[in-house]
Amino acid sequence: GGIITQTPKFLIGQEGQKLTLKCQQNFNHDTMYWYRQDSGKGLRLIYYSITENDLQKGDLSEGYDASREKKSSFSLTVTSAQKNEMAVFLCASSIEGTGGGGNTLYFGEGSRLIVV
Amino acid sequence: AQKVTQTQTSISVMEKTTVTMDCVYETQDSSYFLFWYKQTASGEIVFLIRQDSYKKENATVGHYSLNFQKPKSSIGLIITATQIEDSAVYFCAMREVITGNTGKLIFGLGTTLQVQP
Repeated sequence: GGIITQTPKFLIGQEGQKLTLKCQQNFNHDTMYWYRQDSGKGLRLIYYSITENDLQKGDLSEGYDASREKKSSFSLTVTSAQKNEMAVFLCASSIEGTGGGGNTLYFGEGSRLIVV
Repeated sequence: AQKVTQTQTSISVMEKTTVTMDCVYETQDSSYFLFWYKQTASGEIVFLIRQDSYKKENATVGHYSLNFQKPKSSIGLIITATQIEDSAVYFCAMREVITGNTGKLIFGLGTTLQVQP
């Protein structure tokens, strides 16, 4: 088995500040994802990466940057935190391919962003 | 565009009974993959069960099973002999193809299940 570790669990910042969330996985999965979860709105994809140094925009990428410098890690930066961005950010990873466990996502425990 | 809809916002059942949670989806893909996830009170999201569209048999894992009705684009989650610890939010999701073998999951809004003693 493996694990996905997100840091920090709580990130408190001021409006306009640049804030970074980190994610590490030891599954040796190819693809990693950042989702945002707002109350009553399910999970929405911000960025994903299919391999080291690859970045792809999801449905909610505006206002965010991402970085995949190693296969095992994927970071997400909020470029200018806003109060309406307070949400839970979830990192996930999966292997590729459609057979076996392909595309089954495994999630970290989430990081809650608080903007004051 | 692909879409996943869970119409039940919340369900309350008595312990040891069977519950079904509904999910309908929209896709143009001829082959696709459907998933159910559980989010506990701590926020942890756990993969439960998966249905590949080309398989006719309904998937079963432990006390979770699926009611896959392809003509109706429906993938219901059935939990038998519910336990208090099954209380959680359940998300239905569908894989949307990005390129080739790469996909992303599109999620429904979730159904909150409360299991009463």
